[in-house]
Amino acid sequence: NAGVTQTPKFQVLKTGQSMTLQCAQDMNHNSMYWYRQDPGMGLRLIYYSASEGTTDKGEVPNGYNVSRLNKREFSLRLESAAPSQTSVYFCASSGRGLDRSMVLSNQPQHFGDGTRLSIL
Amino acid sequence: RKEVEQDPGPFNVPEGATVAFNCTYSNSASQSFFWYRQDCRKEPKLLMSVYSSGNEDGRFTAQLNRASQYISLLIRDSKLSDSATYLCVVSFYGQNFVFGPGTRLSVLP
Repeated sequence: NAGVTQTPKFQVLKTGQSMTLQCAQDMNHNSMYWYRQDPGMGLRLIYYSASEGTTDKGEVPNGYNVSRLNKREFSLRLESAAPSQTSVYFCASSGRGLDRSMVLSNQPQHFGDGTRLSIL
Repeated sequence: RKEVEQDPGPFNVPEGATVAFNCTYSNSASQSFFWYRQDCRKEPKLLMSVYSSGNEDGRFTAQLNRASQYISLLIRDSKLSDSATYLCVVSFYGQNFVFGPGTRLSVLP
């Protein structure tokens, strides 16, 4: 069971280049997320997709676009990379279910192992 | 006030020590609570969900106090391998997950 798979694991770009980060999950989760994490900092939400066919901006969406291709896949695109986008990018997914009190709730997120992106 | 706050850390403890982390959240409607651990430059990994009745998993015990909007994590008999950053996460159904800033733990030999 692969869980959440991200590709590539490492990438070096020049300023102005474009690229797409890929993410796929095999847990039949409805929701998927893209985060970035800068050195010594916390996670910041870039975009999320609550369900197939929907996407919404998070805390730091500028300079990024996303596509929820199907239920399994959620890609992140940098159209014109900037040095400020040097970071580690994590994709995550989560499902919904009944908690111990039989109340519909968010199940915990599962993360991919990250893409380390450097922009020169 | 930040939505989720944690002990600033870092915590440096000897092997075998008991250490407790605290977390407070501001949204009283929050309904799902989790502790994650994150190793340096790795992805966050779910440590445990936190339930109102409290729950235990081996050396780890999590407690939730909804009235005080407070979550705790207790680690007993610390191991070197417990060294990591511990993240408190809260969520409300239909809303996103809110991560605390994390508390770094170093277990020393």
